[in-house]
Amino acid sequence: DGGITQSPKYLFRKEGQNVTLSCEQNLNHDAMYWYRQDPGQGLRLIYYSQIVNDFQKGDIAEGYSVSREKKESFPLTVTSAQKNPTAFYLCASSITPPGTSHSNQPQHFGDGTRLSIL
Amino acid sequence: GESVGLHLPTLSVQEGDNSIINCAYSNSASDYFIWYKQESGKGPQFIIDIRSNMDKRQGQRVTVLLNKTVKHLSLQIAATQPGDSAVYFCAETGAQKLVFGQGTRLTINP
Repeated sequence: DGGITQSPKYLFRKEGQNVTLSCEQNLNHDAMYWYRQDPGQGLRLIYYSQIVNDFQKGDIAEGYSVSREKKESFPLTVTSAQKNPTAFYLCASSITPPGTSHSNQPQHFGDGTRLSIL
Repeated sequence: GESVGLHLPTLSVQEGDNSIINCAYSNSASDYFIWYKQESGKGPQFIIDIRSNMDKRQGQRVTVLLNKTVKHLSLQIAATQPGDSAVYFCAETGAQKLVFGQGTRLTINP
């Protein structure tokens, strides 16, 4: 079955450590997204990528970095500069970026990675 | 600026009753809206969407209503079941990205 796979499901970060969250999709989607969700809150956009080798900052990009070397993969690195990294991280993809006049498509989500601080 | 919000953070209904979850949006240029369901510890799951050239769309047990005049979106769930317990988010398309509301937690009373 096609879908989005996030790993690991749970991750712990030590002080001063960078950690990388994996997101893989086999839906052949062009666009991929990373969101952060805090308890009882909605989703906030960290980074998004509309095409391979291109990505843009979202609303809360500070302390995070991404790469998009392959269409199916969009890893997120939580750097030591992110002072409050404890959250639920969600990856999503869509067949075309939202706002495209000829087609708006829903984003499909993975089941998230829960990051905590040791 | 853009914002999408929900009128009620929690909603409690009796099993078998209909549920109505509301959402207000501020960007009158938004032309695509989505409802998601999120169960505990999981990612949001697509429920139904609607484009701005429509005012109503029906799915299986769900209906989305769009009132562009007052910038209001609602999700109606018919014959609510225990499996409908979750947090429901609305989202609108704006500036090349989706803007999500805060979410409404739906609980079902037996």
